[in-house]
Amino acid sequence: QKEVEQNSGPLSVPEGAIASLNCTYSDRGSQSFFWYRQYSGKSPELIMFIYSNGDKEDGRFTAQLNKASQYVSLLIRDSQPSDSATYLCAVSRADRGSTLGRLYFGRGTQLTVWP
Amino acid sequence: GAVVSQHPSRVICKSGTSVKIECRSLDFQATTMFWYRQFPKQSLMLMATSNEGSKATYEQGVEKDKFLINHASLTLSTLTVTSAHPEDSSFYICSARARSVDTQYFGPGTRLTVL
Repeated sequence: QKEVEQNSGPLSVPEGAIASLNCTYSDRGSQSFFWYRQYSGKSPELIMFIYSNGDKEDGRFTAQLNKASQYVSLLIRDSQPSDSATYLCAVSRADRGSTLGRLYFGRGTQLTVWP
Repeated sequence: GAVVSQHPSRVICKSGTSVKIECRSLDFQATTMFWYRQFPKQSLMLMATSNEGSKATYEQGVEKDKFLINHASLTLSTLTVTSAHPEDSSFYICSARARSVDTQYFGPGTRLTVL
């Protein structure tokens, strides 16, 4: 089982709709959860991070974390064509002997927002 | 804040030459830097983790004698691809993390093409 799993998509939504991106992780020791956006040919850009169960909102983006279900999601409200990109879910798990860890990435979900 | 730069952004070289890529944290001290490689339409693959002043920790399957990493200061890490071959052609991306913070910020990436 992979550390982090995402639907590869593609996910296609009309402009103005809500895009819902999902991610599951396998290790219950995971401590921090991140969503990155990656445009084609570019490096990942941090959108949101979440550490605690529940919802975290930042503008049009809402991250949701459910540690019991080992599930993280990202909702994008009022989707715009400029949101079209690959969204990477990443999970941090501490290395042995350290309080901080490395990131484990999912394969990414390709989102297309059409006008 | 949290800006990471990489240089060069693109490099084309002949097979057998060595290429050095620089990664700098511009507005924070990066106690840990990470080097990733990404092939087309694939997710990020962690190559190595470097802590300032220490030897880098390489992921399984990554040749440490081929990919030399130096993290001599809190704002600079370098990756040298020695005796590059066409199969080393890829998108190399660094990320940086500050002390006691679990968030990684990515540089813009370096696209390496080995002829």
